[in-house]
Amino acid sequence: QKEVEQNSGPLSVPEGAIASLNCTYSDRGSQSFFWYRQYSGKSPELIMSIYSNGDKEDGRFTAQLNKASQYVSLLIRDSQPSDSATYLCAVKGAGGTSYGKLTFGQGTILTVHP
Amino acid sequence: DTGVSQDPRHKITKRGQNVTFRCDPISEHNRLYWYRQTLGQGPEFLTYFQNEAQLEKSRLLSDRFSAERPKGSFSTLEIQRTEQGDSAMYLCASNPRFDADEQFFGPGTRLTVL
Repeated sequence: QKEVEQNSGPLSVPEGAIASLNCTYSDRGSQSFFWYRQYSGKSPELIMSIYSNGDKEDGRFTAQLNKASQYVSLLIRDSQPSDSATYLCAVKGAGGTSYGKLTFGQGTILTVHP
Repeated sequence: DTGVSQDPRHKITKRGQNVTFRCDPISEHNRLYWYRQTLGQGPEFLTYFQNEAQLEKSRLLSDRFSAERPKGSFSTLEIQRTEQGDSAMYLCASNPRFDADEQFFGPGTRLTVL
């Protein structure tokens, strides 16, 4: 089992729809969770961080965390063509020796079509 | 520009040559990470510096790889005797302090080994 897994995609949604991106992780002690957006040929850009169970909203983005189910998701409301990118889920592990390194999923490619 | 910078942005080299990449983190960020990303995958952790101390290295970091962060400012990543399998995007990220887990990535260095 991979440490961080994302739904395989690619995911295609029409403009204005809600895009739902999912991620599961294996380390039950994980503490911090992040979503990065990566445009083709560019580096990852942090868009959301979440640390406690529940929802966290920032503009059109909502991150949801359920530590009991070891599940984190990202919802993008009113999707725009400019949201078309690869979305990476990243998890900071538990333990004093992790030094904050992030473990990433393989990414989900999102395409928003007009 | 106060973001993470990396140099060069692209590097093409022949198999067997040595290459060195540089990362300048965000000013006063004492935690610096190197990751490697291959096509279709999420970034993979390589190594971590806290100030000038290299505190963690991944098993991915073979003996051909070495990283330094003299004086706790910029960092360099050197690959000796490059192999075609080293072709990847090399990403540097920094974050400011223990109580902030967010990592901010530089633009990356794309390495192509012929």
